[in-house]
Amino acid sequence: NAGVTQTPKFQVLKTGQSMTLQCAQDMNHEYMSWYRQDPGMGLRLIHYSVGAGITDQGEVPNGYNVSRSTTEDFPLRLLSAAPSQTSVYFCASSYTPAGGEQYFGPGTRLTVT
Amino acid sequence: AQRVTQPEKLLSVFKGAPVELKCNYSYSGSPELFWYVQYSRQRLQLLLRHISRESIKGFTADLNKGETSFHLKKPFAQEEDSAMYYCALSGRTSGTYKYIFGTGTRLKVLA
Repeated sequence: NAGVTQTPKFQVLKTGQSMTLQCAQDMNHEYMSWYRQDPGMGLRLIHYSVGAGITDQGEVPNGYNVSRSTTEDFPLRLLSAAPSQTSVYFCASSYTPAGGEQYFGPGTRLTVT
Repeated sequence: AQRVTQPEKLLSVFKGAPVELKCNYSYSGSPELFWYVQYSRQRLQLLLRHISRESIKGFTADLNKGETSFHLKKPFAQEEDSAMYYCALSGRTSGTYKYIFGTGTRLKVLA
């Protein structure tokens, strides 16, 4: 049982490049979400999904796309990277969207130059 | 608006001293409150949730609905408690459940 996994751990992009951050969970959780963690800003919700085929925007969705084709995977796409997207990205999952413990991945540290 | 406020960015205490990490929330309804901890170079993990009313690693937190607070307390701090602590709220907003995190408090326990 690997829990929540994220790849890559580190990434450096040039402005304008695109990339996909991968997230997978093996706990059969319905709810998955993406956060970015910035100093002094805490964790901010980017996008979330309450089940396969269902996604919705969080607090800071601009510049990011998500899809949820399977219960296990929830990739985050950066369409055209900007320096403002330099951050640490965390994926999380939980059994139900109705509260409860969230399980976090190890994070991806992204730098956009 | 739903909000979680952690007023202290950094809290430094000496080993053996009491610790209180403050958390206030704003929510119209009955939210579920949590404390998460992030040790250096590790992922966030759940420390406490208010409905379980248990003590984990010597930490306790009581939900005060009148003051809308969920402060985290420990009577005697240990060096291994040094970490980033996030207060979080889960509740139903406009028909969907969402998690809202505070900005976090870094706890440093000095020898």
